[in-house]
Amino acid sequence: DADVTQTPRNRITKTGKRIMLECSQTKGHDRMYWYRQDPGLGLRLIYYSFDVKDINKGEISDGYSVSRQAQAKFSLSLESAIPNQTALYFCATSMTSYNEQFFGPGTRLTVL
Amino acid sequence: AQSVAQPEDQVNVAEGNPLTVKCTYSVSGNPYLFWYVQYPNRGLQFLLKYITGDNLVKGSYGFEAEFNKSQTSFHLKKPSALVSDSALYFCAVRVSYGQNFVFGPGTRLSVLP
Repeated sequence: DADVTQTPRNRITKTGKRIMLECSQTKGHDRMYWYRQDPGLGLRLIYYSFDVKDINKGEISDGYSVSRQAQAKFSLSLESAIPNQTALYFCATSMTSYNEQFFGPGTRLTVL
Repeated sequence: AQSVAQPEDQVNVAEGNPLTVKCTYSVSGNPYLFWYVQYPNRGLQFLLKYITGDNLVKGSYGFEAEFNKSQTSFHLKKPSALVSDSALYFCAVRVSYGQNFVFGPGTRLSVLP
């Protein structure tokens, strides 16, 4: 897990605030992903990127945006946070679309 | 659309007994199937995968899974459970032409001493 890091690990914010979650990886993978985890719902894909110039919406992209600053960095932003965005957020990487994903430790976000 | 079901929210098993965590899937192409484990306050860790070949796949920590195409299942198994196996387990699927994975809702495994 040390190969994929996420900051911050915990964040409490208020409705309407802008929040950025950051992900860095040292695995040299081109593919990076952002998921949110909610109890009983598993992981749902927010955005994914196959390289710096290729960013795609996932299943639940509304209310989120992303930036791929470099091969190793992929940030998730909540432009105006709302309480139902309270969740555990994970970044992941993979070598190809057919290989297993490597996950960061997660960011627990609470929106009051 | 592809989907994954894990019919049991919770599985309890005594230490030393065999364990099974169930997964069924629905896809319109050839499935690539994965199992991940999540320990408290940690990200998901890869356990094993089925891409092609032998239906019985062996993975980390003594886990194995059996791909059954006719039943569209990919159940996770271990012959002898350990208390340290207690965690949340996720099944995931993607199709050969698809871009992304779909995860099941997770099954919480509790191994009782």
